[in-house]
Amino acid sequence: EAGVTQSPTHLIKTRGQQATLRCSPISGHTSVYWYQQALGLGLQFLLWYDEGEERNRGNFPPRFSGRQFPNYSSELNVNALELEDSALYLCASDGLAGAYYNEQFFGPGTRLTVL
Amino acid sequence: GQQLNQSPQSMFIQEGEDVSMNCTSSSIFNTWLWYKQDPGEGPVLLIALYKAGELTSNGRLTAQFGITRKDSFLNISASIPSDVGIYFCAGDYYGGSQGNLIFGKGTKLSVKP
Repeated sequence: EAGVTQSPTHLIKTRGQQATLRCSPISGHTSVYWYQQALGLGLQFLLWYDEGEERNRGNFPPRFSGRQFPNYSSELNVNALELEDSALYLCASDGLAGAYYNEQFFGPGTRLTVL
Repeated sequence: GQQLNQSPQSMFIQEGEDVSMNCTSSSIFNTWLWYKQDPGEGPVLLIALYKAGELTSNGRLTAQFGITRKDSFLNISASIPSDVGIYFCAGDYYGGSQGNLIFGKGTKLSVKP
């Protein structure tokens, strides 16, 4: 069974540009979570999507946004990129029927570098 | 916001040694999870704990959900070189209703020179 997949693996942008990151959850999972992991730091919660709706967001500015598609894949958009947005962006999924709700499984991440 | 205090921040291991790390919180948690992250990869779920006092093993790994529901520990017995990496504790104190997990800052395991 395929795990959580993310694309692209690496993304290089310049300040002020927009970045789009994509995530496909494990088959059967309906929830997708996005986390930011800055170098040497822990994971910070960004966004939670479930059944196509945004359910919760972390303490990040509105230029971090996203959406979830009918097939449960998700997209994270970061507008007006700043240098401090450089980080590993991780996507996780859960929600398989019968599984405990918050057992999240992570993808390999997208390394975003802002120059 | 909520924070998890994870310790130690780093430790060196020699093959065969037992390793112990823990996480504490000022709030009661409903779930404790332990993840391992290798360089350039996403975290991999090792153990999930759901009840106070629960003790769960996964091979050489053992984790416990503290009785007070404010702490958890992870033990690795007879460590091997592939155990190196960063271990994160994570907790859910909203019971899933808020979605996000709270993560500790990690314990970095390295091989003793």
